[in-house]
Amino acid sequence: DAKTTQPPSMDCAEGRAANLPCNHSTISGNEYVYWYRQIHSQGPQYIIHGLKNNETNEMASLIITEDRKSSTLILPHATLRDTAVYYCIVRDYSGNTPLVFGKGTRLSVIA
Amino acid sequence: EAGVAQSPRYKIIEKRQSVAFWCNPISGHATLYWYQQILGQGPKLLIQFQNNGVVDDSQLPKDRFSAERLKGVDSTLKIQPAKLEDSAVYLCASRFSGANVLTFGAGSRLTVL
Repeated sequence: DAKTTQPPSMDCAEGRAANLPCNHSTISGNEYVYWYRQIHSQGPQYIIHGLKNNETNEMASLIITEDRKSSTLILPHATLRDTAVYYCIVRDYSGNTPLVFGKGTRLSVIA
Repeated sequence: EAGVAQSPRYKIIEKRQSVAFWCNPISGHATLYWYQQILGQGPKLLIQFQNNGVVDDSQLPKDRFSAERLKGVDSTLKIQPAKLEDSAVYLCASRFSGANVLTFGAGSRLTVL
């Protein structure tokens, strides 16, 4: 079973920041937080991951709370192409355990 | 680099028929996964290969599903006989050993009538 809880859906105005929350209260010390997204009719796509420090790449920023029980994915300037289902996943860094997907958050970016 | 290739993209069959899906991972990726995604749900792992060996097939319905990766490169997932509840998108993903990011293909959408 997925170890994360996400809201089922969110809306965001185009050009504004999209902030997607994720709760992972049972995360263990060796587990990372990963985010993937799935655009309609495509496979999931990796966005970003982190352990405890905030992370940023060309796609998004990841903010992890100090107690690591929750995190927020931030898309700084959402576009219509960011409309997708976003999955938050906790997983150990070894890669030996598979990705376990929940239902994710369906983000709709509105013009 | 080329992505994960899957075929066919779409398949419609009647129940009790058989179907096979093919996946060619990214060159050099030793780990290969097959996921099943039912409409409205997140993907669910069916089987994981490391080279040509099975690492995890605990969620594969072995009475009707089979998968192989004979030469440690491309893989085939077969369903025989298909049931209505097998209607789903079958996603293949691969990962380079030592990396922690999976790359997914576009998937094969199966409709069982």
